[in-house]
Amino acid sequence: QVQLQQSGPGLVKPSQTLSLTCVISGDSVSSNSAAWNWIRQSPSRGLEWLGRTYYRSKWYNDYALSVKSRITINPDTSKNQVSLQLNSVTPEDTALYYCARELTSNYGRFDFWGQGTLVTVSS
Amino acid sequence: DIQLTQSPSFLSASVGDRVTITCRASQGISSYLAWYHQKPGKAPSLLIYAASTLQSGVPSRFSGSGSGTEFTLTISSLQPEDFATYYCQQFNTHPFTFGPGTTVDIK
Repeated sequence: QVQLQQSGPGLVKPSQTLSLTCVISGDSVSSNSAAWNWIRQSPSRGLEWLGRTYYRSKWYNDYALSVKSRITINPDTSKNQVSLQLNSVTPEDTALYYCARELTSNYGRFDFWGQGTLVTVSS
Repeated sequence: DIQLTQSPSFLSASVGDRVTITCRASQGISSYLAWYHQKPGKAPSLLIYAASTLQSGVPSRFSGSGSGTEFTLTISSLQPEDFATYYCQQFNTHPFTFGPGTTVDIK
């Protein structure tokens, strides 16, 4: 059974960097059939996909244009985890953040999700 | 970006009712569509992928259909645990996008 355990601060000051970690158990961050995604949810924006990382002989990343200049998603194979960094945050980045496993075969789906981390951007 | 719209936004129903939710895409997405439900305080949970494939462990009262731009999620006989918010989501093109949700409430 795949489990995704998220951690990271719940409060970030404006202009600073939001950093979250998602520890993977039951699968490998280097899996050739999965991708590791970050998604956020807020009342104003609904569910918003932020980006993903995946390994297919080398590492790839895809990012949403809305955050592309500010976002980095990195795998850590030694700890079997994936991290999210979002720079220069504003109150509009206040949201519930999720990591999710994407199975990339057969049209794709997010089949396992982390528990969610509520991040508030405020001074 | 591909926009997904859902109808209705809100649905009031009784246990045992047949419920249908529609998701429309702003352009064709073949069968690259998934359905999730979400209960308060929980992460979304996968119900259907590839438009009509039931996720392992999901009850057979859930079914999905459609391709291209119009999709439906049907619950054949609503159960108490099905009162939740339902989202469609497309995997055809980046950025992956979600519908705004349909809340199913108890009548």
